[in-house]
This record gives sequence, C-alpha cells and structure tokens, in this order.
Amino acid sequence: SSELTQDPAVSVALGQTVRITCQGDSLRTFYASWYRQKPGQAPMLLVYATNSRPSGIPDRFSGSTSGNTASLTITGTQAEDEADYYCNSRDSSGDQWLFGGGTRLTVL
Amino acid sequence: QVQLVQSGAEVKKPGSSVKVSCKASGGTFTTYTVSWVRQAPGQGLEWMAKIIPILGTGNSAQNFQGRVTITADKSTTTAYLELNSLTSEDTAVYFCARESVEADGFDLWGQGTMVTVSS
Repeated sequence: SSELTQDPAVSVALGQTVRITCQGDSLRTFYASWYRQKPGQAPMLLVYATNSRPSGIPDRFSGSTSGNTASLTITGTQAEDEADYYCNSRDSSGDQWLFGGGTRLTVL
Repeated sequence: QVQLVQSGAEVKKPGSSVKVSCKASGGTFTTYTVSWVRQAPGQGLEWMAKIIPILGTGNSAQNFQGRVTITADKSTTTAYLELNSLTSEDTAVYFCARESVEADGFDLWGQGTMVTVSS
C-alpha cells in the first residue's frame, strides 16, 4: 500500500495558469487520473493515463508526470474551475486504488 | 448513455448495517469493474472496494476488510455495497463508480448516497 499526497489548498488569479501536484511512489509505476468535484456533486474525470482527456473536457486541462509526482495544469483558469481536485492511481499491488487528499482551488 | 443511479439516503443506528445499491441504466454493466468510494463530511475521497460483475469477484481496502460485502446482480445490472457494524465514523456520502479500461480511472459516477449513522 502507499499514499498520494496533495497540497490542501491552492489559489490562482482569474485567467492565469495553475499547477496542482500529487506525490506518491505508485506514480512511478501506474498512471495518474485527475477529478474535479464541486460542492454537492460527484467527482468528474478530467484527465486520465497521465495526459488524456475524456470527450468534452476542454484542452486547458492537461496532465504530466515526473518521477513520483503527477501534475494537473489548468491554463486560463476560469471562475467555474473553483472546486476540489483529486488525483487517483492504483496502489503498489496494482489491484486497489488510492486517492490523494484533495486540493481546494480558489480562483481570485 | 449509461448512468449509474444509486439508492436513496439512509439513517442508521450504531452497530447496524446498511446496503446501498447502484443500478446501471442505458448500457452494459457486467464487463466493467465497479468500485465504491466514500466521502465523509468535509473530507476527501476514500476507495473502499470493487467488484467485477461478470465474474462476481472483487476485493476491498484493508480498512474495510471483514466489514464490507460487495455483490452484483447481472440480471438487474445492479451492484450493492453492504457495510456492517456501523459507527458514527461511517457517516459519509457513498459513491459507486465505473472503472474504465481505457481511462485506467473512474469515468462514470453515481450521484452518491448519504448514509448517516446516529443514535
């Protein structure tokens, strides 16, 4: 088993670029996925397999991984992006799942 | 378009059990893996368990082993989560989520079921 660690909170000015990071040993082996969750809603998949987007997700959301750290980058941040963001990956066994603790993004 | 529709909110006494359902409507179900993820009030997401409906097999996180049972009914395309020996710490929203083979993540989520454990 292992953990995924995220910064609890990040802020960004409207229209600017922000990077949200996620650290964990399992990221050296397995892909990271990223989710956005707004209050009272279920999480929504934004990025998977490190840097692929489901249909309908705008290209201002992108992902990357370096070593044990995965990153979600939002370019041209909009007010509607204010939400909680979670990373997700398999654990070291590959048979179970981990979530990061979440990052609350505030758009100033 | 496939949707995952969960059962309604529950209020339970400490020590009791709860069973939450997750029905896949509008598409196939059995070939995917379905996971259960919970979120305590004001807290993050916690993966609990998964099942492969077509096989009827799965596993659970160590935190829940011995207390959680996950099943699936292929005929009704419904997955179930049963959690026993409830305490106030089990108060949370419980989500079912479909694991996408392509995405290697969860591409479809149920709306969530609030479970409140209170005496």
